[in-house]
Amino acid sequence: DADVTQTPRNRITKTGKRIMLECSQTKGHDRMYWYRQDPGLGLRLIYYSFDVKDINKGEISDGYSVSRQAQAKFSLSLESAIPNQTALYFCATSDFGENQETQYFGPGTRLLVL
Amino acid sequence: GEDVEQSLFLSVREGDSSVINCTYTDSSSTYLYWYKQEPGAGLQLLTYIFSNMDMKQDQRLTVLLNKKDKHLSLRIADTQTGDSAIYFCAETKEDKIIFGKGTRLHILP
Repeated sequence: DADVTQTPRNRITKTGKRIMLECSQTKGHDRMYWYRQDPGLGLRLIYYSFDVKDINKGEISDGYSVSRQAQAKFSLSLESAIPNQTALYFCATSDFGENQETQYFGPGTRLLVL
Repeated sequence: GEDVEQSLFLSVREGDSSVINCTYTDSSSTYLYWYKQEPGAGLQLLTYIFSNMDMKQDQRLTVLLNKKDKHLSLRIADTQTGDSAIYFCAETKEDKIIFGKGTRLHILP
């Protein structure tokens, strides 16, 4: 079974709709992240959470919100989707062992906003 | 400028060595990473190097670090079709990992 899962894997929605992308992990990690990937732009950090009560904005948080419902769950919401939010979204978790951090990525959610 | 820079594309013939280069900005980064993203998948950690090392070798992979120039490279020996992917360089910065834009490695027959 995958350690980091994302649902849905693909989603088509219309401008103005609210949608939620969900992420679950079985690795027991405290740290979780949401990134978006666009061609030629690499990965950009949207939000991150170092534990259940800790939520931080990344470099491109406008238009997004998150909820850390439990250690294992971190969801990303688009309150009113717009076409330039069409992208591939990745959830990641990380542990911080021996002073180095390894991130583990989910399989991605491909979102198309019409 | 960008925190982590790498070229977007690299084409290499099967059997040759691939060298993917990266420059970073934070001299206090303790670890530097290479992640691999295969088509349709998320990123997977390929290897990492601690900042007090110059080189790390792991089978076909060799990581070279020039801390003075803030330059990191990944060499893949005997490149195979299965190495076709996007390779991301990353550095640690202020409790976060900062990724480059990724280098797409294309294998020529």
